[in-house]
Amino acid sequence: GAVVSQHPSWVICKSGTSVKIECRSLDFQATTMFWYRQFPKQSLMLMATSNEGSKATYEQGVEKDKFLINHASLTLSTLTVTSAHPEDSSFYICSAQGQGAPLSTEAFFGQGTRLTVV
Amino acid sequence: AQSVAQPEDQVNVAEGNPLTVKCTYSVSGNPYLFWYVQYPNRGLQFLLKYITGDNLVKGSYGFEAEFNKSQTSFHLKKPSALVSDSALYFCAVRDPGFQKLVFGTGTRLLVSP
Repeated sequence: GAVVSQHPSWVICKSGTSVKIECRSLDFQATTMFWYRQFPKQSLMLMATSNEGSKATYEQGVEKDKFLINHASLTLSTLTVTSAHPEDSSFYICSAQGQGAPLSTEAFFGQGTRLTVV
Repeated sequence: AQSVAQPEDQVNVAEGNPLTVKCTYSVSGNPYLFWYVQYPNRGLQFLLKYITGDNLVKGSYGFEAEFNKSQTSFHLKKPSALVSDSALYFCAVRDPGFQKLVFGTGTRLLVSP
């Protein structure tokens, strides 16, 4: 149980275009989803926290207009990188939490998305 | 504010030997502590967690960790390392009063044959 699926696994896009990454909880209701960015050989940097039906809470320094997060249902959150540039190339990972133990105490991670902007 | 420190960027161990990956934390309340493993270009896989109860926690793939409140540590251990254990390991802490998980910088484990 507690499976999170992230799609796509990798994507290459042209500079200036937008890219959407999906994060789905397959077998539980994800009341909270988190989006992380990971640079090579570095730790995970939390970008934003989204609770279903509410606007996402962005971490300091993360551009809200650049990284659009939608969490419109209890099983789906999306991250859209708008007007992507090469410096947005990175590994993006989502995680989800639900209600009740253990869904509320630990986070379940997607497989990650490797974004390359050319 | 909650924080996690993983003092070693890399740990090298020979196959069959015991391994330890260190983690210390700082949190205002009683912590929720986690270990995750990451293989190249993959998401994080859950290994184990401490929420409450026994200080020694057993997890996946033969890993275990000991919660030490006085030393604010949660070191990951395995009695006998395998080459396939080679990966990036993250310690994480969560203050129960907050939603977000804070990660350490990660420790790369290299197990040599």
